[in-house]
Amino acid sequence: DVKVTQSSRYLVKRTGEKVFLECVQDMDHENMFWYRQDPGLGLRLIYFSYDVKMKEKGDIPEGYSVSREKKERFSLILESASTNQTSMYLCASTLGSAQETQYFGPGTRLLVL
Amino acid sequence: RKEVEQDPGPFNVPEGATVAFNCTYSNSASQSFFWYRQDCRKEPKLLMSVYSSGNEDGRFTAQLNRASQYISLLIRDSKLSDSATYLCVVGASGGSYIPTFGRGTSLIVHP
Repeated sequence: DVKVTQSSRYLVKRTGEKVFLECVQDMDHENMFWYRQDPGLGLRLIYFSYDVKMKEKGDIPEGYSVSREKKERFSLILESASTNQTSMYLCASTLGSAQETQYFGPGTRLLVL
Repeated sequence: RKEVEQDPGPFNVPEGATVAFNCTYSNSASQSFFWYRQDCRKEPKLLMSVYSSGNEDGRFTAQLNRASQYISLLIRDSKLSDSATYLCVVGASGGSYIPTFGRGTSLIVHP
């Protein structure tokens, strides 16, 4: 079974803090994704990576950056957290093309005060 | 990337009912289609892929209508445990890596 893990299930941070969310997959997947999910808005893509050190912006990259130094690990960074970044953050991976099944991590619920 | 649209619901049905959801997509070049299930406060998980010929998995049937650009999910003999949000996903096309998610349809099955 593919396993995608995320570093925290719940996180509370203060406005202006730098926040790191980590995602690790154990199946040698090429592609990794970061989404946020908010009520009524569905899943929105923040960034994705199709290879080590490669990244591309999704629909809502503002206020976020990412890092993929190793194939299995994809980190999402909130440089200076703001209250409007309170959300559920989901990491996903796919083996090859995005025509394939996405495997999601359990999600991180981030609250920014 | 083009839109994928779903009726958000909620669909409120009694146990044992048959319920169907549709999902429309606007990119005619799309090649792959999926239904995911998301339980409350959990991550989405693949329910089934949707093939051109349609496919069935127990009480669940998925169909693709390319001419009208929609996919459907039929659930027969609904169970309480079917209560969840069902996400329609259209795979990437044109060399993109990015699938497109619908916002989901909420299903509530009541006793």
